[in-house]
Amino acid sequence: GNSVTQMEGPVTLSEEAFLTINCTYTATGYPSLFWYVQYPGEGLQLLLKATKADDKGSNKGFEATYRKETTSFHLEKGSVQVSDSAVYFCAPYILTGGGNKLTFGTGTQLKVEL
Amino acid sequence: DVKVTQSSRYLVKRTGEKVFLECVQDMDHENMFWYRQDPGLGLRLIYFSYDVKMKEKGDIPEGYSVSREKKERFSLILESASTNQTSMYLCASSDKDSLNTEAFFGQGTRLTVV
Repeated sequence: GNSVTQMEGPVTLSEEAFLTINCTYTATGYPSLFWYVQYPGEGLQLLLKATKADDKGSNKGFEATYRKETTSFHLEKGSVQVSDSAVYFCAPYILTGGGNKLTFGTGTQLKVEL
Repeated sequence: DVKVTQSSRYLVKRTGEKVFLECVQDMDHENMFWYRQDPGLGLRLIYFSYDVKMKEKGDIPEGYSVSREKKERFSLILESASTNQTSMYLCASSDKDSLNTEAFFGQGTRLTVV
């Protein structure tokens, strides 16, 4: 079956620090890969995505590259801000026909302090 | 703006009660999902639906049922609420499947069973 592993949180960083949140997945076939973000008190929203190998998704200064050889999709940001404090979810998505499950990792909480 | 609306932000129910959680989307999406979110466990899929009157079990369907009589509405039913169903419930919808399919989430319903 399909599964995803994210690094455990919480991750606590100072403002302007470099961020990496690791994500690896196992899947039958070639999934699209997504990162979702959940700000306090809200539902999830899409942060970025990549649909094929070597694609790089980017948004709001965050980036992630689809690495087929290592089945990874690590999230990075060069300089985090307090407003980036949230929970980040990695989510591989595979088309299987007749209904497709969207599976999420356990989420990584990020806290950014001044 | 696209919208997924959950009927309640907070609910308190008694053990044994029948509980209905309602979700409505205004994007004419085929797919709808119900998840529960618990600390340390991330998002776990309860049920999903890829068409009206169609439903598929997710990873943790026990104790729950669903109804999708209209395309825009997907209801989660707790037949006899128990304290271990105290959780945050998130509804999501997505368009007809493609590799770029993005899921849109409601703001969540925090259910407490006492």
